[in-house]
Amino acid sequence: GAGVSQSPSNKVTEKGKDVELRCDPISGHTALYWYRQSLGQGLEFLIYFQGNSAPDKSGLPSDRFSAERTGGSVSTLTIQRTQQEDSAVYLCASSRGQTLYEQYFGPGTRLTVT
Amino acid sequence: AQSVTQPDIHITVSEGASLELRCNYSYGATPYLFWYVQSPGQGLQLLLKYFSGDTLVQGIKGFEAEFKRSQSSFNLRKPSVHWSDAAEYFCAVVTSGGSYIPTFGRGTSLIVHP
Repeated sequence: GAGVSQSPSNKVTEKGKDVELRCDPISGHTALYWYRQSLGQGLEFLIYFQGNSAPDKSGLPSDRFSAERTGGSVSTLTIQRTQQEDSAVYLCASSRGQTLYEQYFGPGTRLTVT
Repeated sequence: AQSVTQPDIHITVSEGASLELRCNYSYGATPYLFWYVQSPGQGLQLLLKYFSGDTLVQGIKGFEAEFKRSQSSFNLRKPSVHWSDAAEYFCAVVTSGGSYIPTFGRGTSLIVHP
């Protein structure tokens, strides 16, 4: 079946603009994660959705970052008033349940803020 | 909070040589351990995982890893490296009884010489 998809694959934006990044998880996967990967760094956890529970937002770096998940499926990560330090690859992953299950990652969205 | 250390930023090996990538974690109890691989421009793919039982786990693509509680390590090994193994490798830890959000190491970049 189809894997995790993300769009756009690349996004170049000007400092101060808002951006939306989309993630389509694998059908039936109840858990969805967003990570940020900066050059030479590991994966930085941003936010975690599990079923109908309130999301774990503990990794969001500032109030400019927000995410929602509609109908337990598609998720959108929004970054308002983008800054140059927001430039990174944003990865989405889904899994069948909590993290004891394998995470399936999308190819990522490369965000460049000029 | 748990932490994951991958001491080697880059590792260079010749094709056909053996490989060992190091991973150390900091956590009081037995964690759940994962190794992921990321090829250029791709998302992460799970190579193998350890939850309990036999401390030597086999994964895909001929990789294996050994959990050593006394050393708080979960090193990844392969007896004979292929050029296609060139990629970024990430170790990840999930703590039992916690939020099930994984902590990733910074990654080790594997370079394979012909």
